[in-house]
Amino acid sequence: GQQLNQSPQSMFIQEGEDVSMNCTSSSIFNTWLWYKQDPGEGPVLLIALYKAGELTSNGRLTAQFGITRKDSFLNISASIPSDVGIYFCAGPSNSGGSNYKLTFGKGTLLTVNP
Amino acid sequence: DAGVTQSPTHLIKTRGQQVTLRCSPKSGHDTVSWYQQALGQGPQFIFQYYEEEERQRGNFPDRFSGHQFPNYSSELNVNALLLGDSALYLCASSLLQGALTNYGYTFGSGTRLTVV
Repeated sequence: GQQLNQSPQSMFIQEGEDVSMNCTSSSIFNTWLWYKQDPGEGPVLLIALYKAGELTSNGRLTAQFGITRKDSFLNISASIPSDVGIYFCAGPSNSGGSNYKLTFGKGTLLTVNP
Repeated sequence: DAGVTQSPTHLIKTRGQQVTLRCSPKSGHDTVSWYQQALGQGPQFIFQYYEEEERQRGNFPDRFSGHQFPNYSSELNVNALLLGDSALYLCASSLLQGALTNYGYTFGSGTRLTVV
């Protein structure tokens, strides 16, 4: 099945620093999604990307859909303590001709030191 | 406006037992998906329900079954529990139209199942 590889697995940064993480796949995705999960909560959608090469921002977050359609990047600028959490990339799986299920990466754990 | 609510929040079961987890979708949503999230992993798709029928299933054994009720709420049942079933079980609701176009899933906070 389709697999998503996220890197790095974890990051420890100082408040105010910029953060970059990425996600790669051995197969093509037509949509890339970035989620954040806080402790004890479910994932919350941050950014959705629908077109190869697309660059989309949501506040201090910027994500890009790679032109090969096999990768995506998420950048966070000027990090703050509430950015702490696990960031997942995800994409819809096309098995069985359906786009209904999401495949998630293993996540990047972000820790921000005040 | 209530989001997705799941119950219970935590529970502990013994190997071999059966468990039922419950999910109430966000108001206005008609589709419910279930995901299993093991510690340190991303969520893995179990199955999705729409119009009280299972639409698609992930790579999970038949011990995992579900149901959707006319009010769109859903249950996840797991029989003959194994230690490896210990995980956070997430419910996500959506409008079928939304699932096809903008993947507007809303996740609940999950049920933490521990099998001992």
